[in-house]
Amino acid sequence: QKEVEQDPGPLSVPEGAIVSLNCTYSNSAFQYFMWYRQYSRKGPELLMYTYSSGNKEDGRFTAQVDKSSKYISLFIRDSQPSDSATYLCAMSARPDNAGNNRKLIWGLGTSLAVNP
Amino acid sequence: DSGVTQTPKHLITATGQRVTLRCSPRSGDLSVYWYQQSLDQGLQFLIQYYNGEERAKGNILERFSAQQFPDLHSELNLSSLELGDSALYFCASSVVADVRGYTFGSGTRLTVV
Repeated sequence: QKEVEQDPGPLSVPEGAIVSLNCTYSNSAFQYFMWYRQYSRKGPELLMYTYSSGNKEDGRFTAQVDKSSKYISLFIRDSQPSDSATYLCAMSARPDNAGNNRKLIWGLGTSLAVNP
Repeated sequence: DSGVTQTPKHLITATGQRVTLRCSPRSGDLSVYWYQQSLDQGLQFLIQYYNGEERAKGNILERFSAQQFPDLHSELNLSSLELGDSALYFCASSVVADVRGYTFGSGTRLTVV
């Protein structure tokens, strides 16, 4: 079993739809949760970052973390064709005693197409 | 432009050959990470350097090696190339204490024929 599971899709929605993207994980030590967006032929770019449980909102994007269920979500409201991309979740445990980042563990990514 | 520069953007080479991929991190970032991305495996962490020293190793093959130079740029060397090494290779950089993730370059697309 992979540490992080993410449905690869593809997911196809009409413009204006609410999109829900999800990841599950097995390591209870994970504290930092990130969503990256990757356009075709580009590197991933950080979209949302959440520490521990709770919600975080940024414009049309909302990230949710449910540590009790080991489940994270990214919601996109009023989706636009420009949101068409692959969305990857990533997570890590807290830094070590020397303050060094733990390794990021990645989901495989979900391919999203928003149709005009 | 993310600030992380990778060269070359595309590389086509034959099996058995050796190639070098180059990465210049974002200004101020001391850590460099190398990732391999293929369709079936997703993003696979290869290796991390911090200020010239190897800090962490992931699923890096013995045929692959990397180093980070005093000016902080990094090179990933891939040798005895096989068809299965065809993939996107990404470099990312970060401030070590920043757990909010990395800044990625645009990648090098390697095709082994």
